[in-house]
Amino acid sequence: DAMVIQNPRYQVTQFGKPVTLSCSQTLNHNVMYWYQQKSSQAPKLLFHYYDKDFNNEADTPDNFQSRRPNTSFCFLDIRSPGLGDAAMYLCATSRIQGIEAFFGQGTRLTVV
Amino acid sequence: RKEVEQDPGPFNVPEGATVAFNCTYSNSASQSFFWYRQDCRKEPKLLMSVYSSGNEDGRFTAQLNKASQYVSLPIRDSQPSDSATYLCVLGTSYGKLTFGQGTILTVHP
Repeated sequence: DAMVIQNPRYQVTQFGKPVTLSCSQTLNHNVMYWYQQKSSQAPKLLFHYYDKDFNNEADTPDNFQSRRPNTSFCFLDIRSPGLGDAAMYLCATSRIQGIEAFFGQGTRLTVV
Repeated sequence: RKEVEQDPGPFNVPEGATVAFNCTYSNSASQSFFWYRQDCRKEPKLLMSVYSSGNEDGRFTAQLNKASQYVSLPIRDSQPSDSATYLCVLGTSYGKLTFGQGTILTVHP
C-alpha cells in the first residue's frame, strides 16, 4: 500500500497559471520534503517541514510556496509557472530530520 | 565544490561483474548516509542506510570513511535487474537531505 501519495501523477498547466501539487502520507512522519528533479539531474530540495516549522532553501525561487495544514498533508504551490519549472516534483517524508526518507511516486509537471 | 560528488559514470558491465560507486562529500556536519536507487521516470527508493563504518545486504555493501569523507557502494555479482541510477544521499541533523548527481548502471545479460 502506498504510504506517500502524490496527486496528480501528471499535471499540465499553462504558462503563468497557478498550480498546486499535493502530497499525503499515512506514516505519521514529522518531516515532509519537496524536491524538484529535472531530467538527468539530482533531486533538488526546495523546502521541508519539521512538524509546522517551515525551512526554505536559500535558492528556492519565491514562485514556489508550500503549505502543511496538518501532519498528513503538504502542498506545493507554483504561483506563476514558467517553462523552466517543468520537472518531476517529489514529496518525501521521514520520521525525524536527517534520516532516511520515503518518496511518493512524484508529479510530472508540464508547462505549455 | 558540490556538497556531494559522485562518479559520473555511466557504468556498463556484464552480468556477474563487481562494480563500485563512489561518493565524496564536503560537509563535515553530515551525520547520516544513504544509497537510493532510481529507475527511469520513477521515484528514488531507499536501497541502504549507512550509519556506522559500513554494512552489507546480500550483494550490496555500503562503506563509509568519515575521516576521508567518502562513501562507496560495491555491488557483487551484478544482475540486469540492478540496472538503474544510484544516488548517494547525505543527511544532517538540521534536516537537509542532499542528493548526489547519481551514477547510471547498465548490466548486460
